[in-house]
Amino acid sequence: DGGITQSPKYLFRKEGQNVTLSCEQNLNHDAMYWYRQDPGQGLRLIYYSQIVNDFQKGDIAEGYSVSREKKESFPLTVTSAQKNPTAFYLCASSIPNAEQYFGPGTRLTVT
Amino acid sequence: GQNIDQPTEMTATEGAIVQINCTYQTSGFNGLFWYQQHAGEAPTFLSYNVLDGLEEKGRFSSFLSRSKGYSYLLLKELQMKDSASYLCAAYNTDKLIFGTGTRLQVFP
Repeated sequence: DGGITQSPKYLFRKEGQNVTLSCEQNLNHDAMYWYRQDPGQGLRLIYYSQIVNDFQKGDIAEGYSVSREKKESFPLTVTSAQKNPTAFYLCASSIPNAEQYFGPGTRLTVT
Repeated sequence: GQNIDQPTEMTATEGAIVQINCTYQTSGFNGLFWYQQHAGEAPTFLSYNVLDGLEEKGRFSSFLSRSKGYSYLLLKELQMKDSASYLCAAYNTDKLIFGTGTRLQVFP
């Protein structure tokens, strides 16, 4: 079955710790995206990558970092510099000019 | 600037028809997406309009007017399972710009 996986579904961390969220896809999509969603809000773009070894900042990149060493994988690191890291994080992938397919999401809670 | 506007909440009755509007302002516009998102879940794709006009897909239809920067999603024969948030997103060059979503509640 082709799809996007994100793990874990729920993640708890202490303030001041970095945490890495995983995103893997086997859809052979070139483009991958990371979004953040807060309660009652739409999706805000954190980072995106159109091709391996290249990525661009989205609207809210501060306090986050990514890597794209393989086509299938696009991990997101939430650093201690991110002021309000508690949120629902969604990963997506697509081919150019087509719909994005979303993973199930990771709900991160930082206390 | 870039801006996507849609109503925050709507209510409707089972079996009825509801129209969710979306207006957008964005440079490099390449098309308009609609997604459905149930609470706590990932968004799922509903429709993609590139050209002006109406696209029908079962109970759901989507309309686009590029000259007016306007789109709507039409849901017919509403069912309880249609209670969800509906996200409008403008495709801008190489990424999507999402609105805040419209939360639709369907009542019996």
